[in-house]
Amino acid sequence: GENVEQHPSTLSVQEGDSAVIKCTYSDSASNYFPWYKQELGKRPQLIIDIRSNVGEKKDQRIAVTLNKTAKHFSLHITETQPEDSAVYFCALPQRDDSWGKLQFGAGTQVVVTP
Amino acid sequence: NAGVTQTPKFQVLKTGQSMTLQCAQDMNHNSMYWYRQDPGMGLRLIYYSASEGTTDKGEVPNGYNVSRLNKREFSLRLESAAPSQTSVYFCASSEGSSGLYEQYFGPGTRLTVT
Repeated sequence: GENVEQHPSTLSVQEGDSAVIKCTYSDSASNYFPWYKQELGKRPQLIIDIRSNVGEKKDQRIAVTLNKTAKHFSLHITETQPEDSAVYFCALPQRDDSWGKLQFGAGTQVVVTP
Repeated sequence: NAGVTQTPKFQVLKTGQSMTLQCAQDMNHNSMYWYRQDPGMGLRLIYYSASEGTTDKGEVPNGYNVSRLNKREFSLRLESAAPSQTSVYFCASSEGSSGLYEQYFGPGTRLTVT
């Protein structure tokens, strides 16, 4: 199946600064790129996603960018706040089994310090 | 709408015991998934069901069985629990019959096998 590499594994940022998390993939046919956020002790929840026909999508302080040539997509969080502290996962549908399942990255622990 | 519900929330088993984790969704979703989450490993797919009446193996199916009882319910069974199955288990559902749609997660079941 598709391999998804996510970096960094941990990220510590000062409140108000920006955070960037990157995921790389290998299947050029990939066409859907979601990001999930998981707060401590809670369930993962989708925060933003992008499809392959656009290069960038924004939702308030978060954005996702896609570089299909280089095969990577990134999550950007601007003006970070304490409530942004969480684990963030990228994911990629798997082409085998007709895109039936998602492969998740290993996750990035983001800590926002005041 | 309750969304995705899971029972039980916590469970402790002895090695060799069996149990069934229950999952139900009230969103009329086609696809349902079972994941396990271990520290530093992200979310790994155990089994999924793209539609009522079908089930397929994911990345880590050994030691587990599933049943898609109807469109709402998808259960995960451990026939003979092992300490390696100590984990947090998440059920998820999505509207479409593929990984190209948002997945909605349940609250999780924390399982310890001693």
